Amino acid sequence: QKEVEQNSGPLSVPEGAIASLNCTYSDRGSQSFFWYRQYSGKSPELIMSIYSNGDKEDGRFTAQLNKASQYVSLLIRDSQPSDSATYLCAVNRDRNQGGKLIFGQGTELSVKP
Amino acid sequence: GVTQSPTHLIKTRGQQVTLRCSSQSGHNTVSWYQQALGQGPQFIFQYYREEENGRGNFPPRFSGLQFPNDSSELNVNALELDDSALYLCASSPTSYASEQYFGPGTRLTVT
Repeated sequence: QKEVEQNSGPLSVPEGAIASLNCTYSDRGSQSFFWYRQYSGKSPELIMSIYSNGDKEDGRFTAQLNKASQYVSLLIRDSQPSDSATYLCAVNRDRNQGGKLIFGQGTELSVKP
Repeated sequence: GVTQSPTHLIKTRGQQVTLRCSSQSGHNTVSWYQQALGQGPQFIFQYYREEENGRGNFPPRFSGLQFPNDSSELNVNALELDDSALYLCASSPTSYASEQYFGPGTRLTVT
């Protein structure tokens, strides 16, 4: 079992729709959760961090965390073609240690005009 | 932001390579990751106050340094074909703040 799992996609949504990206993790001791966006040929860009159960909203992005189910998701509202990228879920076991981020393989999102 | 050099590099199997990273202003922790095509980044190691502060499952031929100005180097000896990847440097403001910000990366090709 991989430590962090994501559907590789591609996930295709029409412009203006809600894109839902999902991630599960295996270590119950994980403390910090992140979503990165990576355009083709570029480096990952941090778009959301979440540390507590529940929802966290930032503009068109909402991160959702459920530690009991070991599940974290990212919703993108009013999807735009510019949102087309690979979205990487990353998990850190111990917030106070900083250190190692464990990444999923990423979900490719395609937003069709 | 975080800067890395060089942007691209082509080396021959068995050679050695040094990649460089300058962290974001005010950040004293640097982490290095390897990203193979189609995969998520894999943690190599982290440096804080010039000391290694955690290491992933990479052999000893991957080594690093952090300098007093918080810049960092990644050295890889005895290059293998499988070392071809995007090498990413990420900085964070402290060793216990786990939000990490990536540089543009160095694309290494080993032939």
